[in-house]
Amino acid sequence: AQSVTQLDSHVSVSEGTPVLLRCNYSSSYSPSLFWYVQHPNKGLQLLLKYTSAATLVKGINGFEAEFKKSETSFHLTKPSAHMSDAAEYFCVVSEDSSYKLIFGSGTRLLVRP
Amino acid sequence: DAGVIQSPRHEVTEMGQEVTLRCKPISGHNSLFWYRQTMMRGLELLIYFNNNVPIDDSGMPEDRFSAKMPNASFSTLKIQPSEPRDSAVYFCASSFGGAYNEQFFGPGTRLTVL
Repeated sequence: AQSVTQLDSHVSVSEGTPVLLRCNYSSSYSPSLFWYVQHPNKGLQLLLKYTSAATLVKGINGFEAEFKKSETSFHLTKPSAHMSDAAEYFCVVSEDSSYKLIFGSGTRLLVRP
Repeated sequence: DAGVIQSPRHEVTEMGQEVTLRCKPISGHNSLFWYRQTMMRGLELLIYFNNNVPIDDSGMPEDRFSAKMPNASFSTLKIQPSEPRDSAVYFCASSFGGAYNEQFFGPGTRLTVL
């Protein structure tokens, strides 16, 4: 069975400092992995996705994530946080060729001025 | 493109009333998904349509919930009768093809059942 664990429910950083949002997954098959962002009162927007190509995936707004099979991790990073990055971030896994997305519990990112 | 459109954005109703949520997917997309988001359970897939046909409704909580997709540009999620525990944000998403393709989410409908 697939599952996703987001290790931090809240992360607080200062503007201009690096962001690290942690995600571990469990999957029996070759997983597809995604990060989605949800701004307040908005729908979810895809940041990036991994589908067995390059292990370092670059997304929108300067975010990137690295797939590490040995650690079953897919952590999201950004070199320098911006105030507009404050939102909730979801790590998502799906089995190969499956429409079913399994969402993590979310990490709320707070960016301090 | 306007993206996925959902209506209403907010709905407050009383227990026992019928509630209908509406979704217009992105034109040209052939897959449509209904999700529910709650604090306790996070985001859960309720039902998945492909080419207007329900493929997987295993996430629908119980018989009080029903979903239809009469054509490629419209879907409804109905709750009858509604209960306070149905209070949640309901998202509609659409995509072209399978999970490799991005699911585009609507802004959601916040449902409150008193």
